Amino acid sequence: QKEVEQNSGPLSVPEGAIASLNCTYSDRVSQSFFWYRQYSGKSPELIMSIYSNGDKEDGRFTAQLNKASQYVSLLIRDSQPSDSATYLCAVNVVFSGGYNKLIFGAGTRLAVHP
Amino acid sequence: DGGITQSPKYLFRKEGQNVTLSCEQNLNHDAMYWYRQDPGQGLRLIYYSQIVNDFQKGDIAEGYSVSREKKESFPLTVTSAQKNPTAFYLCASRGGPNEQFFGPGTRLTVL
Repeated sequence: QKEVEQNSGPLSVPEGAIASLNCTYSDRVSQSFFWYRQYSGKSPELIMSIYSNGDKEDGRFTAQLNKASQYVSLLIRDSQPSDSATYLCAVNVVFSGGYNKLIFGAGTRLAVHP
Repeated sequence: DGGITQSPKYLFRKEGQNVTLSCEQNLNHDAMYWYRQDPGQGLRLIYYSQIVNDFQKGDIAEGYSVSREKKESFPLTVTSAQKNPTAFYLCASRGGPNEQFFGPGTRLTVL
């Protein structure tokens, strides 16, 4: 069974701090990794995609990927109360026949307090 | 205005009743997916479709059925065989490379 693991949290950080969210996965051949933000009662919103080892920055968000360690993380700089949400890590898996699907972690709840 | 729409937003089902959830996309995506989310849990895949007239069971397909007669549409039917259908249902479509985008969801409650 291919798995994606995340700490459920809550992760509590003060406004302006860096929030660090972590995710590990079991499928060694996965090539595509995603972070989604989900506000309470809403659907997930794609905020970052990463496909190669290293860092990828987009505004206040940085995704980090280490395929050798099967580890992907999301850093949020200058955290704002509006960043308070659940962050879902997802890993793309390809099955026989060329079928693609995402395996999701259960999510980490982030709370940014003023 | 491109995107994914789901209807209805809220749905109430009586015991023994089949209900159908609508999902439409105008993103010209080939692949579409249905997920279920229970409180405090991650997303679980119900069914997915790579192209028109083709669909595959996901991890929790029992008690559900789908059709894919048009590229734009991927309706999900929750049958009476699904014993615990109360959940948040999310439809997604896949762009490239492998990015999935979600609709606003349908919240189903069994009365």
